[in-house]
Amino acid sequence: AQKVTQAQTEISVVEKEDVTLDCVYETRDTTYYLFWYKQPPSGELVFLIRRNSFDEQNEISGRYSWNFQKSTSSFNFTITASQVVDSAVYFCALSEHGSGNTGKLIFGQGTTLQVKP
Amino acid sequence: DGGITQSPKYLFRKEGQNVTLSCEQNLNHDAMYWYRQDPGQGLRLIYYSQIVNDFQKGDIAEGYSVSREKKESFPLTVTSAQKNPTAFYLCASSPRTGGGETQYFGPGTRLLVL
Repeated sequence: AQKVTQAQTEISVVEKEDVTLDCVYETRDTTYYLFWYKQPPSGELVFLIRRNSFDEQNEISGRYSWNFQKSTSSFNFTITASQVVDSAVYFCALSEHGSGNTGKLIFGQGTTLQVKP
Repeated sequence: DGGITQSPKYLFRKEGQNVTLSCEQNLNHDAMYWYRQDPGQGLRLIYYSQIVNDFQKGDIAEGYSVSREKKESFPLTVTSAQKNPTAFYLCASSPRTGGGETQYFGPGTRLLVL
């Protein structure tokens, strides 16, 4: 069965601190895709990154970085030097590639990040 | 500007009433999706459509209906059979259906029951 777990419900940091959001997933497929989305207070989900199961290279985009480890089924997200504008709910999601796949995203429960000035 | 629009932003439903949420995209995407978000939870799939005039039930389709008469439009009707409709509804689209396609989301509609 597919499942995504974000064990951290809420995280609060002070501006300029680094913060890591954890994501652990379960799937039986050998080919799958992992995503991170940001949901600011306005409500719209903003796409951040997509990673396929064959690409374990870590990725950095500005202050954002992602660490994908198949051995531990984790896809963690780190924000370096956090800013108040980073305050949002962050979702990790999984999509499987099996035959007849609908493209459905399986979401974790989300982590609420509060960055205080 | 390409994107996904949803209307209205807020919607109020009376008991026994059907209401329709609008979703329009100008991204020329084939696939469209409806998700429901409850407080403190992730999103759950209600319906999806891979192509015009075709749609499939997701995980929580009971009490909802959809249509896909045009490529750019995928309205969701919340029927009176949906006993707990209060939630945030998000529409999404992707270039094609199938695993791995990135889904892009609209701004959402918040539905409240009077």
